[in-house]
This record gives sequence, structure tokens and C-alpha cells, in this order.
Amino acid sequence: GQNIDQPTEMTATEGAIVQINCTYQTSGFNGLFWYQQHAGEAPTFLSYNVLDGLEEKGRFSSFLSRSKGYSYLLLKELQMKDSASYLCAVSLTPPSGGSYIPTFGRGTSLIVHP
Amino acid sequence: DADVTQTPRNRITKTGKRIMLECSQTKGHDRMYWYRQDPGLGLQLIYYSFDVKDINKGEISDGYSVSRQAQAKFSLSLESAIPNQTALYFCATSDSPVGRELYNEQFFGPGTRLTVL
Repeated sequence: GQNIDQPTEMTATEGAIVQINCTYQTSGFNGLFWYQQHAGEAPTFLSYNVLDGLEEKGRFSSFLSRSKGYSYLLLKELQMKDSASYLCAVSLTPPSGGSYIPTFGRGTSLIVHP
Repeated sequence: DADVTQTPRNRITKTGKRIMLECSQTKGHDRMYWYRQDPGLGLQLIYYSFDVKDINKGEISDGYSVSRQAQAKFSLSLESAIPNQTALYFCATSDSPVGRELYNEQFFGPGTRLTVL
């Protein structure tokens, strides 16, 4: 199947660390993306993982375990502007073969409070 | 200037009307996508195109059609709009560099908010 699961909502305190998990059950998996989307705006790219391990980019890090079908996005030193929806998207090879197409999870709404 | 633009940004229409949403990009990308987003749901793929001669259905293509007029333009049409097509619609593009086919970061337009009464 192509189930991509993320928590619906999370809350955290300014300055803290938060981890947003994403699990997927899919065949044809090729890579995983994280996007940030502020309310009413377009999603913007945060990170990409294709190999197992941690990718760090400033305050944001993303981890992937292909064998476990699991990823997380780690946000450090939270700021109020980090309040947004975080979308996990997996890059899949279609059953009929061909090029990779992305499939999105439902997103996790993160609320950062003072 | 925005790399991916969508017109209109907002549209209110009536049930049964035909409507077209347009997307243009200046990124020079071959791949273009149309998504819809409903509250509490993620982005659902409607159609995608990997070049001008290539059109593919996504997971929710019923009730929609598309046209890839040029590399830079990809239009979405609702032939007879119905209220449950009320949603936020996003166009996106991605590149397919040789040797990096696994990597297809997407660039999104600002979205079109469509309301069907």
C-alpha cells in the first residue's frame, strides 16, 4: 500500500526541540521529502533523504530508516515562525514502471507557543 | 518575480460551470503537477506531466482534465464544477536532471482558492 502516516497535530514551546514522525508502507520507495507549509501558503522544500541516516540543515534535521519505513523531522530552538504544517512526501516508482512521482501524507500541524 | 505562477488566485463559481485554472513557470522544468488540498488532508495528486507530450492521471483525476500547452504552461479544467471540488489547488514543477532522477524536489505556485456554490 501507499499509507503515509503522520500525527495530525503537535504543540511545543518556543526554544524547545520537537520531533515529527512519518511512517510509510509502500513498495517502489525511492526517497522521502519534508515540506513546510504556512497557513494559506504554498509548501516549501525543507529536506530530502534517500539513504539511511541523518541529514542536517541548520535548525532542521531529517532522518530516514528505509528498512523500518520511518522518518522524522527534528526542529531545534523552536521559534514562533515555525508554527506551520509539515508535510512528509515519499517518492515512488509507479506500479507500471517509469519515473518517480511524489505522494504526500496529510501533514502535521505544529503549534509553537511562548 | 515568482518562478511558478497561478491564475486566478481566487475564484467563486456556480455548480455546472466550466472553469480553467492556469499555471505558468519560468524555471525551465519539464515536470509539472496539479494538486488539490482540503482541510485536514494532504496534497492529492490530480494530474502530472513529465513533458509536453506526456499526461498522466493522478489519484483523483475524475472530474478534471488538463492541457500541457508548452513546457512552461499546464492548465487544469473542471468541465462541470460541483461543490465538492471546492478546495485549494496547487501547481508544482520539478526537474529531472540526468543522474539525479531520484531527486525531484517540487516548487509550488501560490495556489488558487476555488469555491463552487
